[in-house]
Amino acid sequence: DAKTTQPTSMDCAEGRAANLPCNHSTISGNEYVYWYRQIHSQGPQYIIHGLKNNETNEMASLIITEDRKSSTLILPHATLRDTAVYYCIVRTAGTYKYIFGTGTRLKVLA
Amino acid sequence: NAGVTQTPKFQVLKTGQSMTLQCAQDMNHNSMYWYRQDPGMGLRLIYYSASEGTTDKGEVPNGYNVSRLNKREFSLRLESAAPSQTSVYFCASSRGTTDNSPLHFGNGTRLTVT
Repeated sequence: DAKTTQPTSMDCAEGRAANLPCNHSTISGNEYVYWYRQIHSQGPQYIIHGLKNNETNEMASLIITEDRKSSTLILPHATLRDTAVYYCIVRTAGTYKYIFGTGTRLKVLA
Repeated sequence: NAGVTQTPKFQVLKTGQSMTLQCAQDMNHNSMYWYRQDPGMGLRLIYYSASEGTTDKGEVPNGYNVSRLNKREFSLRLESAAPSQTSVYFCASSRGTTDNSPLHFGNGTRLTVT
Protein backbone atom coordinates (compact mmCIF):
# COMPACT_ATOMS: atom_id res chain seq x y z
CA ASP A 1 0.00 0.00 0.00
CA ALA A 2 1.21 3.49 -0.83
CA LYS A 3 2.16 5.68 2.10
CA THR A 4 1.16 9.31 2.38
CA THR A 5 3.01 12.35 3.68
CA GLN A 6 1.19 15.37 5.03
CA PRO A 7 2.33 18.50 6.86
CA THR A 8 1.87 18.20 10.60
CA SER A 9 -0.12 21.41 10.95
CA MET A 10 -1.47 24.37 9.01
CA ASP A 11 -3.33 27.59 9.76
CA CYS A 12 -5.96 29.24 7.58
CA ALA A 13 -7.87 32.49 7.94
CA GLU A 14 -11.62 32.18 8.26
CA GLY A 15 -13.34 32.72 4.93
CA ARG A 16 -10.26 31.91 2.90
CA ALA A 17 -9.62 28.70 0.99
CA ALA A 18 -7.76 26.00 2.89
CA ASN A 19 -5.43 23.96 0.65
CA LEU A 20 -4.20 20.78 2.31
CA PRO A 21 -1.46 18.93 0.42
CA CYS A 22 -0.71 15.22 0.43
CA ASN A 23 2.18 13.39 -1.12
CA HIS A 24 1.67 9.78 -2.26
CA SER A 25 4.58 9.32 -4.61
CA THR A 26 4.45 5.50 -4.53
CA ILE A 27 0.77 5.25 -5.42
CA SER A 28 -0.13 2.56 -7.93
CA GLY A 29 -2.72 2.60 -10.66
CA ASN A 30 -5.56 0.97 -8.75
CA GLU A 31 -5.20 2.93 -5.52
CA TYR A 32 -7.78 5.55 -4.58
CA VAL A 33 -7.08 8.69 -2.56
CA TYR A 34 -9.50 9.34 0.31
CA TRP A 35 -9.78 12.29 2.65
CA TYR A 36 -11.30 12.16 6.11
CA ARG A 37 -11.32 14.63 8.96
CA GLN A 38 -11.61 14.23 12.70
CA ILE A 39 -13.07 17.08 14.69
CA HIS A 40 -11.91 17.10 18.30
CA SER A 41 -12.40 13.53 19.53
CA GLN A 42 -15.30 12.55 17.31
CA GLY A 43 -15.21 9.71 14.81
CA PRO A 44 -13.51 10.44 11.48
CA GLN A 45 -15.82 11.97 8.90
CA TYR A 46 -15.57 11.08 5.21
CA ILE A 47 -14.97 14.09 2.96
CA ILE A 48 -14.17 12.98 -0.59
CA HIS A 49 -12.27 10.43 -2.66
CA GLY A 50 -10.94 10.01 -6.17
CA LEU A 51 -8.84 7.86 -8.47
CA LYS A 52 -7.36 10.20 -11.08
CA ASN A 53 -9.93 12.82 -11.99
CA ASN A 54 -10.55 15.91 -9.90
CA GLU A 55 -13.63 15.60 -7.72
CA THR A 56 -15.95 18.09 -6.05
CA ASN A 57 -18.79 17.70 -3.61
CA GLU A 58 -20.65 19.93 -1.20
CA MET A 59 -17.82 19.83 1.32
CA ALA A 60 -14.62 20.13 -0.70
CA SER A 61 -12.68 19.67 -3.91
CA LEU A 62 -9.97 17.11 -4.53
CA ILE A 63 -7.25 17.93 -7.04
CA ILE A 64 -5.03 15.00 -8.09
CA THR A 65 -1.92 15.71 -10.14
CA GLU A 66 -1.63 14.13 -13.54
CA ASP A 67 1.10 11.72 -12.37
CA ARG A 68 -1.07 10.94 -9.30
CA LYS A 69 1.89 11.39 -6.97
CA SER A 70 0.23 14.12 -4.96
CA SER A 71 -3.15 15.65 -4.27
CA THR A 72 -4.68 18.69 -2.61
CA LEU A 73 -7.87 18.94 -0.63
CA ILE A 74 -9.49 22.34 -0.98
CA LEU A 75 -12.03 23.72 1.48
CA PRO A 76 -13.22 26.74 -0.50
CA HIS A 77 -14.36 28.99 2.35
CA ALA A 78 -12.97 27.72 5.64
CA THR A 79 -14.99 28.31 8.80
CA LEU A 80 -14.05 27.85 12.45
CA ARG A 81 -15.95 24.56 12.39
CA ASP A 82 -13.45 23.21 9.85
CA THR A 83 -10.74 23.15 12.53
CA ALA A 84 -9.83 19.45 12.64
CA VAL A 85 -7.23 16.83 11.81
CA TYR A 86 -7.36 15.93 8.12
CA TYR A 87 -6.25 12.49 6.97
CA CYS A 88 -5.16 11.66 3.44
CA ILE A 89 -5.37 7.92 2.81
CA VAL A 90 -4.48 5.76 -0.13
CA ARG A 91 -6.47 2.58 -0.43
CA THR A 92 -6.00 -0.28 -2.84
CA ALA A 93 -9.18 -0.94 -4.79
CA GLY A 94 -10.77 -4.20 -3.81
CA THR A 95 -9.30 -4.33 -0.33
CA TYR A 96 -10.41 -3.33 3.14
CA LYS A 97 -7.12 -1.64 3.96
CA TYR A 98 -7.22 2.02 4.95
CA ILE A 99 -3.86 3.12 6.35
CA PHE A 100 -4.41 6.16 8.58
CA GLY A 101 -1.34 8.30 9.24
CA THR A 102 -1.19 11.14 11.74
CA GLY A 103 -2.78 13.70 9.40
CA THR A 104 -2.62 17.49 9.19
CA ARG A 105 -3.97 19.54 12.08
CA LEU A 106 -5.78 22.47 10.44
CA LYS A 107 -6.57 25.45 12.60
CA VAL A 108 -8.96 28.04 11.14
CA LEU A 109 -8.30 31.44 12.65
CA ALA A 110 -10.94 34.12 13.21
CA ASN B 1 -31.11 7.70 10.40
CA ALA B 2 -28.51 7.48 13.18
CA GLY B 3 -25.65 6.05 11.09
CA VAL B 4 -23.20 4.14 13.29
CA THR B 5 -24.02 3.97 17.00
CA GLN B 6 -21.53 2.84 19.63
CA THR B 7 -22.17 2.01 23.27
CA PRO B 8 -20.98 2.78 25.84
CA LYS B 9 -19.37 6.18 25.25
CA PHE B 10 -17.02 5.84 28.24
CA GLN B 11 -15.82 2.87 30.28
CA VAL B 12 -13.28 2.30 33.03
CA LEU B 13 -12.10 -1.24 33.70
CA LYS B 14 -9.67 -2.81 36.10
CA THR B 15 -6.94 -5.04 34.72
CA GLY B 16 -8.32 -8.52 34.06
CA GLN B 17 -11.96 -7.49 33.73
CA SER B 18 -13.89 -8.24 30.58
CA MET B 19 -16.33 -6.19 28.58
CA THR B 20 -18.06 -5.98 25.23
CA LEU B 21 -18.23 -2.87 23.08
CA GLN B 22 -21.38 -2.66 21.01
CA CYS B 23 -21.80 -1.23 17.53
CA ALA B 24 -24.85 -0.99 15.30
CA GLN B 25 -25.43 0.60 11.89
CA ASP B 26 -28.70 1.41 10.17
CA MET B 27 -27.36 2.04 6.64
CA ASN B 28 -27.79 -1.58 5.44
CA HIS B 29 -24.03 -1.81 4.99
CA ASN B 30 -22.41 -5.18 4.40
CA SER B 31 -19.02 -4.50 5.98
CA MET B 32 -18.10 -3.41 9.49
CA TYR B 33 -14.82 -2.61 11.21
CA TRP B 34 -13.26 -1.99 14.62
CA TYR B 35 -10.37 0.48 14.96
CA ARG B 36 -8.43 1.78 17.92
CA GLN B 37 -6.83 5.20 18.21
CA ASP B 38 -4.07 5.94 20.68
CA PRO B 39 -3.05 9.51 21.59
CA GLY B 40 -1.27 11.29 18.75
CA MET B 41 -1.60 8.33 16.42
CA GLY B 42 -3.70 7.35 13.48
CA LEU B 43 -6.34 4.66 13.58
CA ARG B 44 -5.33 1.01 13.52
CA LEU B 45 -7.62 -1.79 12.37
CA ILE B 46 -8.36 -4.47 14.97
CA TYR B 47 -10.89 -6.71 13.17
CA TYR B 48 -13.29 -6.38 10.29
CA SER B 49 -16.29 -8.22 8.92
CA ALA B 50 -16.63 -8.14 5.16
CA SER B 51 -20.17 -9.50 5.33
CA GLU B 52 -22.59 -11.07 7.76
CA GLY B 53 -21.15 -14.34 9.04
CA THR B 54 -17.49 -13.54 8.35
CA THR B 55 -14.78 -11.90 10.44
CA ASP B 56 -11.06 -11.37 9.84
CA LYS B 57 -8.08 -10.02 11.71
CA GLY B 58 -6.70 -6.58 11.05
CA GLU B 59 -3.37 -5.09 12.12
CA VAL B 60 -3.71 -5.39 15.91
CA PRO B 61 -6.11 -8.26 16.80
CA ASN B 62 -4.33 -9.68 19.86
CA GLY B 63 -6.39 -9.46 23.04
CA TYR B 64 -9.70 -8.97 21.22
CA ASN B 65 -12.54 -11.06 19.85
CA VAL B 66 -15.43 -10.00 17.66
CA SER B 67 -18.91 -11.18 16.78
CA ARG B 68 -20.95 -10.19 13.76
CA LEU B 69 -24.31 -10.78 15.39
CA ASN B 70 -26.34 -9.91 12.30
CA LYS B 71 -26.04 -7.47 9.41
CA ARG B 72 -26.56 -4.46 11.70
CA GLU B 73 -24.41 -5.33 14.71
CA PHE B 74 -20.71 -5.98 15.24
CA SER B 75 -19.36 -6.31 18.78
CA LEU B 76 -15.82 -6.20 20.15
CA ARG B 77 -14.92 -8.15 23.29
CA LEU B 78 -11.99 -7.75 25.62
CA GLU B 79 -11.73 -10.98 27.59
CA SER B 80 -9.07 -9.84 30.06
CA ALA B 81 -8.39 -6.13 29.82
CA ALA B 82 -4.83 -4.81 30.05
CA PRO B 83 -3.60 -1.21 30.51
CA SER B 84 -2.18 -1.37 26.97
CA GLN B 85 -5.78 -1.55 25.74
CA THR B 86 -6.53 1.93 27.07
CA SER B 87 -7.61 3.69 23.90
CA VAL B 88 -10.49 5.16 21.94
CA TYR B 89 -12.33 2.52 19.96
CA PHE B 90 -14.15 3.38 16.75
CA CYS B 91 -16.58 1.23 14.87
CA ALA B 92 -17.13 1.86 11.16
CA SER B 93 -19.20 0.45 8.34
CA SER B 94 -19.14 0.53 4.56
CA ARG B 95 -21.20 -0.78 1.71
CA GLY B 96 -18.51 -3.36 0.98
CA THR B 97 -14.81 -4.08 1.30
CA THR B 98 -14.15 -4.67 -2.39
CA ASP B 99 -15.79 -1.58 -3.84
CA ASN B 100 -14.51 1.95 -3.26
CA SER B 101 -17.30 3.00 -0.90
CA PRO B 102 -16.09 5.09 2.04
CA LEU B 103 -16.13 4.23 5.72
CA HIS B 104 -18.71 5.75 8.05
CA PHE B 105 -17.60 6.00 11.67
CA GLY B 106 -19.32 6.09 15.03
CA ASN B 107 -18.27 8.56 17.70
CA GLY B 108 -16.18 6.14 19.68
CA THR B 109 -15.91 4.44 23.05
CA ARG B 110 -13.28 5.86 25.38
CA LEU B 111 -11.84 2.98 27.41
CA THR B 112 -9.47 3.30 30.34
CA VAL B 113 -7.92 0.20 31.91
CA THR B 114 -6.32 0.75 35.32
